[in-house]
Amino acid sequence: GNSVTQMEGPVTLSEEAFLTINCTYTATGYPSLFWYVQYPGEGLQLLLKATKADDKGSNKGFEATYRKETTSFHLEKGSVQVSDSAVYFCALGPSGGYQKVTFGIGTKLQVIP
Amino acid sequence: DTAVSQTPKYLVTQMGNDKSIKCEQNLGHDTMYWYKQDSKKFLKIMFSYNNKELIINETVPNRFSPKSPDKAHLNLHINSLELGDSAVYFCASSPKLTQNTEAFFGQGTRLTVV
Repeated sequence: GNSVTQMEGPVTLSEEAFLTINCTYTATGYPSLFWYVQYPGEGLQLLLKATKADDKGSNKGFEATYRKETTSFHLEKGSVQVSDSAVYFCALGPSGGYQKVTFGIGTKLQVIP
Repeated sequence: DTAVSQTPKYLVTQMGNDKSIKCEQNLGHDTMYWYKQDSKKFLKIMFSYNNKELIINETVPNRFSPKSPDKAHLNLHINSLELGDSAVYFCASSPKLTQNTEAFFGQGTRLTVV
């Protein structure tokens, strides 16, 4: 079945530092890939997505590129802010008859001033 | 207007009780889900319904029973609550079960069993 491997946290960065959260996947077929963000006490929100190979999703300064050759979808941001502190989930859409969204374990990011 | 709404937001109850969590979406989506998030933030799918039909039923105790009266609602009933059921439960919906559609999440219900 489909699976997502996401780097474990927590990740602690100073404000304006560069962020990378690694995500790799195993899938049947060609799923869409997502990054969700969960702020404290809230539900998950879609941060960005990519629907096919070489697509780049971007939102709020975050970017991730769908790399089919390395089966990866790493999340990056050039300069993090305190307000980016949250838990980030990499996710795989349905594909190849696998009828559900598969989530990674989540990576907690803490940005300190 | 809240797209996916769950009630209640917090639920504290004693072991052995029966409780329900309600979920409604006003997005016109065909597919709805229940997820359980444990204390380490790990998110695990429990159930998925497509047009009121159960399509995913992960390894969940029989004490958990979903009910979908129409495609805008997916409620979760839990019998004989146990301490290990304490978690945050998220309802979600998506337009249809295709590969390009993301899920929209509710705010979660924090269940504490004492």
